[in-house]
Amino acid sequence: EVQLVQSGAEVKKPGESLKISCKGSGYSFNTYWIGWVRQTPGKGLEWMGIIYPGDSDTRYSPSFQGQVTISADKSISTAYLQWSSLKASDTAMYYCARSYDTSYFDYWGQGTLVTVSS
Amino acid sequence: EIVLTQSPGTLSLSPGERATLSCRASQSVSGSYLAWYQQKRGQAPRLLIYGASSRATGIPDRFSGSGSGTDFTLTISRLEPEDFAVYYCQQFLGSSRVTFGQGTKVEIK
Repeated sequence: EVQLVQSGAEVKKPGESLKISCKGSGYSFNTYWIGWVRQTPGKGLEWMGIIYPGDSDTRYSPSFQGQVTISADKSISTAYLQWSSLKASDTAMYYCARSYDTSYFDYWGQGTLVTVSS
Repeated sequence: EIVLTQSPGTLSLSPGERATLSCRASQSVSGSYLAWYQQKRGQAPRLLIYGASSRATGIPDRFSGSGSGTDFTLTISRLEPEDFAVYYCQQFLGSSRVTFGQGTKVEIK
């Protein structure tokens, strides 16, 4: 069974750093892309970026380029989304999701709620 | 960036009725790179349709997708109680240029 299991909810202060994770199982992790999607009440679903764990090829949405870093450790079948300096506007639910060719996502993680507040 | 506009915003229907959801793109979506997702409260989105009309694994055949170019439709032939949820369309114009619609909520009348 394909599963993507994300790390737990986080509460952070503005300016702090954060790295959340997404562990894949039940399939060949290296041969599918893992993408990240942000969801907020105001802007809905937003595609942030995507990584191919096999060779770490990474693509970012122009809206998120430079704001976050996506990485993966194929040895432990885990992808990451990280921030170096959080803002209140980063408060959102973040989902990881699997894609065969980057065009759509067939399996999703359960989501990680990130709250940034002073 | 391609903007996807979904209509209506909310659809109020009874179980057993037919639901027709629209997704219109601001420019042509090439290769029918259009997908539909269902999201229930407190859950992650679930893939229903990809390639505009192909059902994802395990999706009942009461869900169907159609359309091309700039106009796409998701149809639920007979609503079951578990189908009341929010539905999103998503287009792909190359990686880094993926956008979602704002969603259509299907609620019980």
